[in-house]
Amino acid sequence: DAGVIQSPRHEVTEMGQEVTLRCKPISGHNSLFWYRQTMMRGLELLIYFNNNVPIDDSGMPEDRFSAKMPNASFSTLKIQPSEPRDSAVYFCASSPTGAYYNEQFFGPGTRLTVL
Amino acid sequence: KNEVEQSPQNLTAQEGEFITINCSYSVGISALHWLQQHPGGGIVSLFMLSSGKKKHGRLIATINIQEKHSSLHITASHPRDSAVYICAVGSSSGTYKYIFGTGTRLKVLA
Repeated sequence: DAGVIQSPRHEVTEMGQEVTLRCKPISGHNSLFWYRQTMMRGLELLIYFNNNVPIDDSGMPEDRFSAKMPNASFSTLKIQPSEPRDSAVYFCASSPTGAYYNEQFFGPGTRLTVL
Repeated sequence: KNEVEQSPQNLTAQEGEFITINCSYSVGISALHWLQQHPGGGIVSLFMLSSGKKKHGRLIATINIQEKHSSLHITASHPRDSAVYICAVGSSSGTYKYIFGTGTRLKVLA
């Protein structure tokens, strides 16, 4: 299995631009998580999908952030407009189920820099 | 105060040394995970614990539910063990959320 696939791996953009991050979960996994990692705050859960449905988006910072999962094999995280404080590494993870005892498999991350 | 605290924050060791990383938490948990993140790399799950001890190669993880404490031990450390080790707890009040520690940055010198 290829594991969780994220693209792009690196993104540099200017403040105000729209940014779209992409994730392909492991086939057969029905739970998908988007995380943000910064030096100051560590790893933070942004949003959790189960069976393509957003279950918990309480971690989404503000209306500039939106996430979709149109099917079981694809999810996007969009930031519009982007700001320098959005600079971080964004990880996507998938799991066989959302249960606590299931391992989450992380993608390689997208390093976002907003100038 | 963070719900999940790790210590130390940074650790430098010589190759071959025995290493211990600690994780203390203040919430009720269903499970605790140890994750490894190499510099510039992705995150890999090392262990999931709900009680007792687990061993995988040179890595040993223990948990004491009563004391709300877990340790990750590395025996015969090697430079390739250099990474950030992250403790994550699954809260007993939610089935899917991890609460993350801030990580321990380990550097093993040859």
